Amino acid sequence: GENVEQHPSTLSVQEGDSAVIKCTYSDSASNYFPWYKQELGKRPQLIIDIRSNVGEKKDQRIAVTLNKTAKHFSLHITETQPEDSAVYFCAASRGDKLIFGTGTRLQVFP
Amino acid sequence: SQTIHQWPATLVQPVGSPLSLECTVEGTSNPNLYWYRQAAGRGLQLLFYSVGIGQISSEVPQNLSASRPQDRQFILSSKKLLLSDSGFYLCAWSPQGAEAFFGQGTRLTVV
Repeated sequence: GENVEQHPSTLSVQEGDSAVIKCTYSDSASNYFPWYKQELGKRPQLIIDIRSNVGEKKDQRIAVTLNKTAKHFSLHITETQPEDSAVYFCAASRGDKLIFGTGTRLQVFP
Repeated sequence: SQTIHQWPATLVQPVGSPLSLECTVEGTSNPNLYWYRQAAGRGLQLLFYSVGIGQISSEVPQNLSASRPQDRQFILSSKKLLLSDSGFYLCAWSPQGAEAFFGQGTRLTVV
């Protein structure tokens, strides 16, 4: 079955710096790769997603890249702000089940 | 618009007692449905998923079971809770192969 690995587990950056979180997946049939942000005690919320027919997608300060050959995808946050502090999860799906990575705790210091 | 309801929000249960968590979805038909568990400070572990009524796939061997008696209803159950069943349980739905929408979650503490 699908296995999603996510690194790093924690990430601390200064406000204004960039943050990069990386994930790898094992099932070559996976074709949908969302990223979620979870604030303390709340439900995960989608922030950006990418499908396997696209290599890169950007939404303001957030971008995601996908390398199908290497089976890895990354989240890039530019000009980080304190409110970006949260746990971020990547996930992979082939249409039935959605498997999540282990999460990255991002702390942005003012 | 679609909404997902999950209840209760918090639950404290003694060891050995039964469990029933319910999740319902409105505004969509034939959704994929999921139960995840999140231990404190940990990731989202997929427990069960369902692509249709009566179709349940279990991802990990455990003390829990799931049922989908109706298209938009997903139930998580246990006959006898263990201490290790404590955690944050999240129900989610998605159109096939697309974004998952999460319920508010149930924080279960087994004492």
